Amino acid sequence: KQEVTQIPAALSVPEGENLVLNCSFTDSAIYNLQWFRQDPGKGLTSLLLIQSSQREQTSGRLNASLDKSSGRSTLYIAASQPGDSATYLCAVESGANNLFFGTGTRLTVIP
Amino acid sequence: DTAVSQTPKYLVTQMGNDKSIKCEQNLGHDTMYWYKQDSKKFLKIMFSYNNKELIINETVPNRFSPKSPDKAHLNLHINSLELGDSAVYFCASSQDLGSGNTIYFGEGSWLTVV
Repeated sequence: KQEVTQIPAALSVPEGENLVLNCSFTDSAIYNLQWFRQDPGKGLTSLLLIQSSQREQTSGRLNASLDKSSGRSTLYIAASQPGDSATYLCAVESGANNLFFGTGTRLTVIP
Repeated sequence: DTAVSQTPKYLVTQMGNDKSIKCEQNLGHDTMYWYKQDSKKFLKIMFSYNNKELIINETVPNRFSPKSPDKAHLNLHINSLELGDSAVYFCASSQDLGSGNTIYFGEGSWLTVV
């Protein structure tokens, strides 16, 4: 059974700092990995999707990498802003349309 | 326009009651889902439907019954509510059954059973 772990559970950084969020998964037989953002009281917003054959995806200040063989992914956020404060969730698709989520990293960017 | 909308957003009810949460998507997607996020923020899939047909049915008590009148709607009905059903329930949709589709989530329905 697929298990997804995210470290750290919470992270506080000063504005402008670059940061890395980590995600690991136990079963490397995945279709893809997605990073989501969840704001308090809101749903999830998809940030980046990396297919199993890809190594990384970039969107603006966000860069996500995938090392399927070692079961790891990182989300790199450059020049963090207070608006980046949210919970970031990693999810792997194992079995079509079946996403397994981590419990998230709660990020606080301090102005 | 909200892509995936679910109602109600907040629901407080007593144990033993029956309640429904409605979900609609206006994205023209074929596949819809229900996810449950528990108090530890752990998100887990409950059901998925493709073109009104049940595809995934995880280990969920049969008190939970999804209903899809058409592919734009997937409602969740819960019978005989228990304290442990308190959670946030998210509806979601994606283009089709193919892997790698971006999944769009609703804003969640906060269910509290007292």
